[in-house]
Parts: sequence; structure tokens; C-alpha cells
Amino acid sequence: DAGVIQSPRHEVTEMGQEVTLRCKPISGHNSLFWYRQTMMRGLELLIYFNNNVPIDDSGMPEDRFSAKMPNASFSTLKIQPSEPRDSAVYFCASSTAAGRETQYFGPGTRLLVL
Amino acid sequence: GQSLEQPSEVTAVEGAIVQINCTYQTSGFYGLSWYQQHDGGAPTFLSYNALDGLEETGRFSSFLSRSDSYGYLLLQELQMKDSASYFCAVRHAGNMLTFGGGTRLMVKP
Repeated sequence: DAGVIQSPRHEVTEMGQEVTLRCKPISGHNSLFWYRQTMMRGLELLIYFNNNVPIDDSGMPEDRFSAKMPNASFSTLKIQPSEPRDSAVYFCASSTAAGRETQYFGPGTRLLVL
Repeated sequence: GQSLEQPSEVTAVEGAIVQINCTYQTSGFYGLSWYQQHDGGAPTFLSYNALDGLEETGRFSSFLSRSDSYGYLLLQELQMKDSASYFCAVRHAGNMLTFGGGTRLMVKP
């Protein structure tokens, strides 16, 4: 079975540009999480969806960040405009209602904003 | 607020036993999870404790004391491939996780 799929795996962009990160959760999983990992701040939860509905977005740093989940098999995290401090690894993870204690992480998108 | 404390680095030799401690201060505690992350990789789930006591999964065991807000991950018969970062994470309502800063384990021959 395919795990969580993220694209792109690497992204280099210039400050001010729009960045869109994509995630396909594991089929049948109804919870989806976006995380950001940096050396300074560690692994932070940005936003959490349950059954395609955003439940908690208190971790989204500011209005430049937005996330959508139009259907059960696709989610996007958008940064507009991007800034150098947004450089990080962004992970998407998914879980099921039954196995709620286990989150399955995608390979991550390594974002560098110049 | 939420806070989790774990050592930043631990070094051990191959074949040894190592314990990584985690203390937490949080509200809405459902349980404590442990994740492993190799350099350049994604976090992968190791174990979860919802109740006090020891959970064993092969060479890895995890312990929780809710009254002490404390848990640990025990790795036995260390192998070189165990060199990685290990994160404790508190599970909250809705299956949300708050991660600790991670412990970098270096296993030496």
C-alpha cells in the first residue's frame, strides 16, 4: 500500500512567491495533519482536518498560510507570499479513527525560500 | 501551555541499553507517543501509552506514569541503525500531537 504522498519533495523559491504543497493521505484515513519542522522550533502542528473539515488551525503562523482539503484524498498548504523564515520541512500525516494514536507521516517537502 | 522536556542528545554503544526520558506539562492529556526520525527522513511511530505501565514492542519498550507526568523509551540491544532522533509527543483530544524537541541518539561501535 502507498503511504502518505507529498509533492513536491523539494522546493526552492524566491521571497514573495506563492508556494503550494500537496498531500495525498493514506486511503481510508479520515484525519490529516500538516506539520512544520525546523531546527529552532522543532516539529509543530499547523492545522488538522477531520473528514475534510478543518478542526484546529491555531498553529498556522499567520494569514500568509492557508490550507484546504477539498476531498478525502487531497490537501494543499499554501504560503503566499513566502518569506525566508518559512524555510523548513513540511510534513503531512494521516490517521484513522480506529488507530487514532498512530499518525503516518509523508516524506516531507523541503522548502527553501531565498 | 504545553511543554515537553527530553534530553537533546544521548550516546551509547552497540548492544547496550539506553533510556530516553520525557516529562510533560499539558492539559487534555490522552496519552504519550514515541516517534523515531532518521536524518532526512520522516517521523515513524514507535509506541503509545494511554495507561500507566510498560508497553513492550520487540527491542523497544515505553513506560508512562500519569501521576508523575513522565514517560520513557527504552531501547535494548542497541544497533547502529538505531542512531536517530526520538520524539515524545503528547496526544490531545482529536488525536492532535504536541511533540518534544527530540533526543538525538548516537550509537557507537
